[in-house]
Amino acid sequence: DQQVKQNSPSLSVQEGRISILNCDYTNSMFDYFLWYKKYPAEGPTFLISISSIKDKNEDGRFTVFLNKSAKHLSLHIVPSQPGDSAVYFCATPTGSGGSQGNLIFGKGTKLSVKP
Amino acid sequence: DTGVSQDPRHKITKRGQNVTFRCDPISEHNRLYWYRQTLGQGPEFLTYFQNEAQLEKSRLLSDRFSAERPKGSFSTLEIQRTEQGDSAMYLCASSFGLAGAWNEQFFGPGTRLTVL
Repeated sequence: DQQVKQNSPSLSVQEGRISILNCDYTNSMFDYFLWYKKYPAEGPTFLISISSIKDKNEDGRFTVFLNKSAKHLSLHIVPSQPGDSAVYFCATPTGSGGSQGNLIFGKGTKLSVKP
Repeated sequence: DTGVSQDPRHKITKRGQNVTFRCDPISEHNRLYWYRQTLGQGPEFLTYFQNEAQLEKSRLLSDRFSAERPKGSFSTLEIQRTEQGDSAMYLCASSFGLAGAWNEQFFGPGTRLTVL
């Protein structure tokens, strides 16, 4: 059973608009979350993270929101650019306090940003 | 290039053959991870090393799979008697792990295995 769920396999947005990618998780013990971005023929690259002690983390055009009661997080990209077109994975590390464990990934959402 | 490298990038083999993949992590990274990604799925954890010690193995890692990191630097992943279900992208990642803190895992480009 998937512990990290990304229910939208794909998302298409217009350049300059907001992209919102969603992620749900099942285990309330998870306390650290990450977003990775993956281009074709490359490995995933870390984008942004959030700890459960926060409900928002912002880095430039990227903001992640965490709703612990709903076990839901979302990644907002504003404004979206064609270079943002990639597959985005939500992930959480095993181990408490964000300690270094293996990552549990969602299935990913393929974002297409159209010029 | 100081990133994680993997070799080969692509491997086509016949069912029943053995294959071996290599991963060179970022130097000074003490942790090394192997993941497998199949079509439409996110990466799934296989195993990880801290230095040369293999600390955790997923139940996905059947007896046909073996991984080593003999000197705490590069790692190899061997699959014996390959099956068509082994066809996937095999990703390696490394990090400098400190207890009690998350440290970014840097991924290599992966080795795509096709078993005919």
